[in-house]
Amino acid sequence: TQLLEQSPQFLSIQEGENLTVYCNSSSVFSSLQWYRQEPGEGPVLLVTVVTGGEVKKLKRLTFQFGDARKDSSLHITAAQPGDTGLYLCAGLLTGSNYKLTFGKGTLLTVNP
Amino acid sequence: DTAVSQTPKYLVTQMGNDKSIKCEQNLGHDTMYWYKQDSKKFLKIMFSYNNKELIINETVPNRFSPKSPDKAHLNLHINSLELGDSAVYFCATTGSAMNTEAFFGQGTRLTVV
Repeated sequence: TQLLEQSPQFLSIQEGENLTVYCNSSSVFSSLQWYRQEPGEGPVLLVTVVTGGEVKKLKRLTFQFGDARKDSSLHITAAQPGDTGLYLCAGLLTGSNYKLTFGKGTLLTVNP
Repeated sequence: DTAVSQTPKYLVTQMGNDKSIKCEQNLGHDTMYWYKQDSKKFLKIMFSYNNKELIINETVPNRFSPKSPDKAHLNLHINSLELGDSAVYFCATTGSAMNTEAFFGQGTRLTVV
């Protein structure tokens, strides 16, 4: 059973479009992170959210943590080809120190 | 100057061989990890060391043995390699065991033939 479900698994859009990817669970997380991974590279941390209902913005990227701390979303406005990559959510389960659980990722392709 | 560096980046070897992957970090972090990413991009934790002590050991065959000679290094030795060991192995660090904001290396793509 996958603790963190990401959707969609694949997303191919045109430059300038908006998109949202989702990270859902039936478990409560102490914190949740989003990473972006480009081909041949390791994941790079984008953001950490810790408070239920929290919204964080990073330029054209908006991250939201659900009120119950069971889910999160990543919204990208006016996507650019440079946004192409694998987006991974990762959570720290409540009461589970030290161990991040990763979702399977959303592979985003932004076409020029 | 790379914060988390792994060597080698690519490793092709035959079944049954023994191989090692090395990881070094210059961030001064206390905690280091090995993750395995399969062909479907699923990233799963294997081991974690905090100040040279093993704190996480997931259900990993005992052919895999991590070693941390000091806080800045975490190596992974794999005995009797099998086809199913083919994957990308990532080293990662966090400031402390309580901090989950991870810095990843570039990965080592292991192919067992």
